Amino acid sequence: QVQLQESGPGLVKPSQTLSLTCTVSGGSISSGDDYWSWIRQPPGKGLEWIGYIYYSGSTYYNPSLKSRVTISVDTSKNQFSLKLSSVTAADTAVYYCARTSTVTTVFDYWGQGTLVTVSS
Amino acid sequence: SYVLTQPPSVSVAPGQTARITCGGNNIGSKSVHWYQQKPGQAPVLVVYDDSDRPSGIPERFSGSKTGNTATLTISRVEAGDEADYYCQVWDSSSDHVVFGGGTKLTVL
Repeated sequence: QVQLQESGPGLVKPSQTLSLTCTVSGGSISSGDDYWSWIRQPPGKGLEWIGYIYYSGSTYYNPSLKSRVTISVDTSKNQFSLKLSSVTAADTAVYYCARTSTVTTVFDYWGQGTLVTVSS
Repeated sequence: SYVLTQPPSVSVAPGQTARITCGGNNIGSKSVHWYQQKPGQAPVLVVYDDSDRPSGIPERFSGSKTGNTATLTISRVEAGDEADYYCQVWDSSSDHVVFGGGTKLTVL
């Protein structure tokens, strides 16, 4: 059973960079069968896909966030990470990491989510 | 960019049938997936590839697609089905993921 766990600061100041890490257990990021995604949900709002990474390092980002987003992978630690720069209050959200099969394109495993608040 | 449109809310009495729609241009050429999200929890996949159910999901949940609209149908609705529901597709032309805006299902 694959498990994902987000970690990182719960409070970030405006204009700074939000950094989160997702640790994967029960499966290998290097298997080549999956994409590893970040998804966020502002309080009371819907889901927004941020982007995903393949184990090789190939990335795809939501065009609306592309200029501020970097997703990276550390296969030795079985982790992938999110950096979102120049944050504002609008970036306050629950951030989820999730796995997507390259075959089915569904998000079949999700982390529990972590709330990141942007405030001074 | 590709857009999926869902109604903000659907209300249904217990025991009745709820239908939640998801509209998108040329959605017929894409696989549609549906997620249920209860307050404070991560989304859970309830239907994938338009009409397939993951193991453990009750048969009351079903999916279909006609023209430019996909539909999640929940039969014999129970109080425990009250949640937000999201449709999702993978836009193969851009390799991007798209979610619908979500529909809040209220069980009266």
